[in-house]
Amino acid sequence: DGGITQSPKYLFRKEGQNVTLSCEQNLNHDAMYWYRQDPGQGLRLIYYSQIVNDFQKGDIAEGYSVSREKKESFPLTVTSAQKNPTAFYLCASSIGDRPQPQHFGDGTRLSIL
Amino acid sequence: EDQVTQSPEALRLQEGESSSLNCSYTVSGLRGLFWYRQDPGKGPEFLFTLYSAGEEKEKERLKATLTKKESFLHITAPKPEDSATYLCAVQVGYGGSQGNLIFGKGTKLSVKP
Repeated sequence: DGGITQSPKYLFRKEGQNVTLSCEQNLNHDAMYWYRQDPGQGLRLIYYSQIVNDFQKGDIAEGYSVSREKKESFPLTVTSAQKNPTAFYLCASSIGDRPQPQHFGDGTRLSIL
Repeated sequence: EDQVTQSPEALRLQEGESSSLNCSYTVSGLRGLFWYRQDPGKGPEFLFTLYSAGEEKEKERLKATLTKKESFLHITAPKPEDSATYLCAVQVGYGGSQGNLIFGKGTKLSVKP
């Protein structure tokens, strides 16, 4: 079955540590996205990529980094510069710039030790 | 500034008690409006896409409608398994950041037996 796989489901970060969240899709979608979800807030866009080897900052990119070396993969690194990283992180993909829905993975919950 | 507002924030219904969720938007130009369902600890699940005023989509007990200013998600004779948070998102353009989705904060629906 086609879909988006995020791993791990739960992740713990120590102070000063960088952590990487994995996102893999087998939908053959061109565009991929990373969102952050906090209680009582809407999804906020961190980074997005419309083609391989290209990505753009979203609304809250500070303290995060991404890469897009393969069409299927879009990993997100939460760096030590992100002072409030505790949140639910969601990865999504879509066909491209047509008004098509984004399809989501089941998220990674990041907490601070 | 493009904005999406969902109401109410939370809604409690008895099983079989029909109701509607609202998504109002203030955007420069609507290309598509999307409804999602999100269960706790999971990623959003796509429900419907609406493209133009007057359009309607149905799936089981759910019906989505669209006007020039808002969308409604009508729930007919809900069951406890319909309990979830329902998210609304709009796309305002094509390409670059305009192709990204703007999300509302969601409506948390609880259906009691």
